[in-house]
Amino acid sequence: QVQLVQSGAEVKKPGSSVKVSCKASGGTFSSYAISWVRQAPGQGLEWMGRIIPILGIANYAQKFQGRVTITADKSTSTAYMELSSLRSEDTAVYYCARAEYYYGSGSMDAFDIWGQGTMVTVSS
Amino acid sequence: AIQLTQSPSSLSASVGDRVTITCRASQGISSALAWYQQKPGKAPKLLIYDASSLESGVPSRFSGSGSGTDFTLTISSLQPEDFATYYCQQFNNYPPTFGQGTKVEIK
Repeated sequence: QVQLVQSGAEVKKPGSSVKVSCKASGGTFSSYAISWVRQAPGQGLEWMGRIIPILGIANYAQKFQGRVTITADKSTSTAYMELSSLRSEDTAVYYCARAEYYYGSGSMDAFDIWGQGTMVTVSS
Repeated sequence: AIQLTQSPSSLSASVGDRVTITCRASQGISSALAWYQQKPGKAPKLLIYDASSLESGVPSRFSGSGSGTDFTLTISSLQPEDFATYYCQQFNNYPPTFGQGTKVEIK
């Protein structure tokens, strides 16, 4: 069974960048899309963007356009999320999540597998 | 983007109770709705997809129904391990969006 294993917690200064990794253990990305979802302390879930690794195409939520970059390395089945110009409001747990992707329609299914989460703290 | 509104935001219930959570979409999303359970410090776990399909390994006391704009998650007999926060999520329209969550607490 595929697991998504994320990199460890990060503490960053305001204005800096953070890059979080998500490796598919026990399998590959195959035909799936990998999304990034964040959760601020005590808050709900917020979708940030996705990548379709087999196509190398990434899409971003409007809120994060220009500040987030999602990439993938097919050879190592690892996805990355880089968030720049960090501010205190970016303090959150960042999750990667897998969903079936349908090439014909460009649609995705529900998120069936999630990484364990990576805590990113932005503090001066 | 499609907005999902869950109700209630929180509820208190006892073990053995029947619990129902509602999710309303701001526009029709067919049956492209999922329900997740999240426990403190853990990642969300998929319970229901396509509005009413039970994810493999999820106990049968969980069920989902609805289509269009109105959906429900029902727990037929609440168990101690079910105390958690539940989220709905739509995947009919881009971008995918989540409800604000419903916290199920012990009465």
